[in-house]
Amino acid sequence: AQSVTQLDSQVPVFEEAPVELRCNYSSSVSVYLFWYVQYPNQGLQLLLKYLSGSTLVKGINGFEAEFNKSQTSFHLRKPSVHISDTAEYFCAVSSGGYNKLIFGAGTRLAVHP
Amino acid sequence: DTAVSQTPKYLVTQMGNDKSIKCEQNLGHDTMYWYKQDSKKFLKIMFSYNNKELIINETVPNRFSPKSPDKAHLNLHINSLELGDSAVYFCASSQDGTGNEKLFFGSGTQLSVL
Repeated sequence: AQSVTQLDSQVPVFEEAPVELRCNYSSSVSVYLFWYVQYPNQGLQLLLKYLSGSTLVKGINGFEAEFNKSQTSFHLRKPSVHISDTAEYFCAVSSGGYNKLIFGAGTRLAVHP
Repeated sequence: DTAVSQTPKYLVTQMGNDKSIKCEQNLGHDTMYWYKQDSKKFLKIMFSYNNKELIINETVPNRFSPKSPDKAHLNLHINSLELGDSAVYFCASSQDGTGNEKLFFGSGTQLSVL
């Protein structure tokens, strides 16, 4: 079985500062990893995903994430955040097939002017 | 056109009532899902259907019954509503449910049981 831990429930940051949202996973098999973003009163949208290959994955809105197998981590980063990045961010893991996508508890990113 | 649309957006009802939430996707996807998001934002899958066939059925009370009349629709019926059913319910779809795909989510139905 897989599990996902998002280490920070809230991350406050000033506009134009860099940010890292942390995600660790646990699995006994190979996994696919995802980051989704949820803006207020909306459904989730995919930011990026790691399936295989290069461990650095670039996504939409200037976000990127790095898969680290030895540390079982998939941290999300952005070099310079905007007010509009304020949202809830979810890390998720799947082992493929018809297996379910397991979500972390979410990290609330609050960008302040 | 909205890719995954669910109705209603808000649903306020009394304990003991029966209610339904409808979901439709116009993406031509084979797989659809229902997720429940609690007040702490924790998201948990409830059901998934692939081409009208039930694939995932999590430990959900049997008061919850999904119905998929065709692969573009997955409705959720809830009998005898309880206070603990209050949450936001999200419908989602993906191309074929193989676990490495992007999920497309609806905008959610906020259910409040009084």
